[in-house]
Amino acid sequence: KAGVTQTPRYLIKTRGQQVTLSCSPISGHRSVSWYQQTPGQGLQFLFEYFSETQRNKGNFPGRFSGRQFSNSRSEMNVSTLELGDSALYLCASSYGDRAEAFFGQGTRLTVV
Amino acid sequence: DQQVKQNSPSLSVQEGRISILNCDYTNSMFDYFLWYKKYPAEGPTFLISISSIKDKNEDGRFTVFLNKSAKHLSLHIVPSQPGDSAVYFCAASVAGTYKYIFGTGTRLKVLA
Repeated sequence: KAGVTQTPRYLIKTRGQQVTLSCSPISGHRSVSWYQQTPGQGLQFLFEYFSETQRNKGNFPGRFSGRQFSNSRSEMNVSTLELGDSALYLCASSYGDRAEAFFGQGTRLTVV
Repeated sequence: DQQVKQNSPSLSVQEGRISILNCDYTNSMFDYFLWYKKYPAEGPTFLISISSIKDKNEDGRFTVFLNKSAKHLSLHIVPSQPGDSAVYFCAASVAGTYKYIFGTGTRLKVLA
């Protein structure tokens, strides 16, 4: 069974640009969550989608957005990139609430 | 406000001995807890979980203990192996919120 796939693995962008990250969940998983990991901050919750609906959103500015498609694949978008957006962005999928989340390898975003 | 805290940034243990990783939380509404292990350049890997209706859960060398009155969670690894060297994150959630709150992690080093 294939795991959670995130693309691309690495990305370098310039301040002010926008970026789109992609996540393909484990087959059969309908819940997809996104997290940002920065040094010393652990993993910070961005948002969660289930059946194309955003069910929860973390405390991030509106520059961070996401969506989920009918096949459960998800994308997150960050507009007007700032240096502080440099981080590892992790996607996780699960069957739903009360179920462990399985993470992808992440996308390392560097903003210069 | 850090609702989930891992106060020990690092821990070193001899191979074969017990590793005890600790996690404290402040939100009494948390009712589901998990531990993840993370190697560099990889996404977190699920280890073990526990529901708030239990105080202990075992899976092979890994045991998680939950003390609800103290709002304290611990992960015991017995016996510790060099391959266990990684960063360990505890996470907690409230039913219906569809998100996990992560601690900042503890780096475990198992010495051969």
